[in-house]
Amino acid sequence: DIVLTQSPDSLAVSLGERATINCKSSQSVLYSSNNKNYFAWYQQKPGQPPKLLIYWASTRESGVPDRFSGSGSGTDFTLTISSLQAEDVAIYYCHQYYSIPWTFGQGTKVEIK
Amino acid sequence: QVQLVESGGGLVEPGGSLRLSCAASGFTFSDYYLTWIRQVPGKGLEWVSYISVSGTNIYYADSVKGRFTISRDNARNSLYLQMNSLRAEDTALYYCAKGNIASLPSGGMDVWGQGTTVTVSS
Repeated sequence: DIVLTQSPDSLAVSLGERATINCKSSQSVLYSSNNKNYFAWYQQKPGQPPKLLIYWASTRESGVPDRFSGSGSGTDFTLTISSLQAEDVAIYYCHQYYSIPWTFGQGTKVEIK
Repeated sequence: QVQLVESGGGLVEPGGSLRLSCAASGFTFSDYYLTWIRQVPGKGLEWVSYISVSGTNIYYADSVKGRFTISRDNARNSLYLQMNSLRAEDTALYYCAKGNIASLPSGGMDVWGQGTTVTVSS
């Protein structure tokens, strides 16, 4: 199974400041035949289901604010919130759909400092 | 609008069975992979199973293999999860989710239901 390890487990960022979440995969999720990383990021607010933010590691889902961006390839990925807003307080999960079983990171809780 | 609504959760004794349903609307159901994902309250996400557009390709997490069965009825726009031999560790909120990209088990899951709660306890 592919293990996804997120860091940090939690972070507190001032409004308007940058938040960075990392996710390291135990093996590459880059599919060589199409050069795509089978990797996504989700946001989950309390009492709500997860919301897809980023897929293919860096493609922003429709309607997601452009302050959210994804980067990385292979085994190391980053989700960046360029200017944290109050509504971004949530838990963020990384996810790989490269191989069965699909797996998720343990989550990173983002709060306002 | 695009929507998934789960039902069928409840309290069941260890060893018992439940059948979860997920009713879809607002999109061409038969064009998308569908997934069950569960979450213990306050904990992370665990993928349970997915099913291809025609139902021919099905995969399960090892933790549920042999006990759970995923199925779909494209005529009724519905997804199901038959859960047998339930254990305390199956207690969770169960979400159904839609694949982001037509016909492919890729691109993440772009639509999720609100979930249905399964509690396994005597």
